[in-house]
Amino acid sequence: NAGVMQNPRHLVRRRGQEARLRCSPMKGHSHVYWYRQLPEEGLKFMVYLQKENIIDESGMPKERFSAEFPKEGPSILRIQQVVRGDSAAYFCASSPFGMGGDNQPQHFGDGTRLSIL
Amino acid sequence: AQTVTQSQPEMSVQEAETVTLSCTYDTSESDYYLFWYKQPPSRQMILVIRQEAYKQQNATENRFSVNFQKAAKSFSLKISDSQLGDAAMYFCAYMGTYTGTASKLTFGTGTRLQVTL
Repeated sequence: NAGVMQNPRHLVRRRGQEARLRCSPMKGHSHVYWYRQLPEEGLKFMVYLQKENIIDESGMPKERFSAEFPKEGPSILRIQQVVRGDSAAYFCASSPFGMGGDNQPQHFGDGTRLSIL
Repeated sequence: AQTVTQSQPEMSVQEAETVTLSCTYDTSESDYYLFWYKQPPSRQMILVIRQEAYKQQNATENRFSVNFQKAAKSFSLKISDSQLGDAAMYFCAYMGTYTGTASKLTFGTGTRLQVTL
């Protein structure tokens, strides 16, 4: 009964490169959420996706960041032309339905720590 | 916008003793969910306990219980019989039920709990 799987666990990129973070939700979950955690801070919501649809991207930076959740395969968070300020832990969570509240809490992966040199 | 405030950056408790972590939030919604998540050094996000705002009864999960004061917008976590394994960062989180707040968690900045012998 695998949980939310994120890879890689740790990703190192140089400034200007692209970073791709992958998230496979729990079995039976079709809703995916991405959060970013800067050092010594709480998690900040970035984007909420359903299969092939972006439901809420109100927390995504307007430039360089994009996310997708294709019909087949994992959800991908893509950061183009990374800068030092992108260094953070990126967490993915999933739930079987939307809302993620009553009896359907969001289950989190272990995160990807992105380091920009 | 909804905000979550954790005013205790660090707390310390002796093993077997009880500790209470504070959390206040601000919202104009009447129906919502509140959560406490634990983040140990492994960085995994673990759901500790959740509370539905429409339920007056305080949630409990084994040694963990909450004191939910809706009028005061307060949601504290009590850990009884503290164990060394309880040492972690604890995040309070809010999720609304209306468009724009549903399905995304708003986190506080966290409280680092130390457990001493």
